[in-house]
Amino acid sequence: SHELTQPPSVSVSPGQTATITCSGDALPRKFAYWYQQKSGQAPVLVIYEDRKRPSGIPERFSASSSGTTATLIISGAHVDDEADYYCFSRDINDNHRGFFGSGTKVTVL
Amino acid sequence: QVQLVESGGGVFQPGRSVRVSCAASGFIFSSYAMHWVRQAPGKGLEWVSLISYDGSNGYYADSVKGRFTVSRDNSKNTLYLEMNGLRPEDTGVYYCAKEGGDDPFEYWGQGTLVTVSS
Repeated sequence: SHELTQPPSVSVSPGQTATITCSGDALPRKFAYWYQQKSGQAPVLVIYEDRKRPSGIPERFSASSSGTTATLIISGAHVDDEADYYCFSRDINDNHRGFFGSGTKVTVL
Repeated sequence: QVQLVESGGGVFQPGRSVRVSCAASGFIFSSYAMHWVRQAPGKGLEWVSLISYDGSNGYYADSVKGRFTVSRDNSKNTLYLEMNGLRPEDTGVYYCAKEGGDDPFEYWGQGTLVTVSS
């Protein structure tokens, strides 16, 4: 089965760096996408195609991918970055299907 | 501006059927594939289904395959998800989302809550 595993939670102090990992067998062959979801809101894309940042997303959000692990980095975390973060990738065998990671709660305090 | 408005949620008994809808506006609906994504209360996101721009092909998560059917009416700019044989684990907020270029889920609706309970 296709699974994307993330740590359940990450805590960081304001101004410090938060690192969130996403592990899955499809990642060497499929792009990773990262979504931020704040309480009661729809998700927002923060990274696409492993490492690209959409317009309007702060430069403190960056990402990389190597082998079976994709990584989202929030450098100089702001209190406003507190949210749930999900990775997403397409199915390794069918590009029309996809999977979200289990999600990581980032706490900034 | 792009708007996606889901409807049809409510409380349903296990084993029953329900159809949720997503009314789209602000873009050429018939040109884009559309997704359904759900989120159980307090839980993570789960991709559910994708339908091609013309409705000719639907794709499903293993957890709903054979029970759910995605469809669309491009003349009405509306997306549907027919859910049969409902189970308690189908409980959640169901979001529709527009497929984008760089972003698989370029726009999201506000979601509709489906609760499966006896």
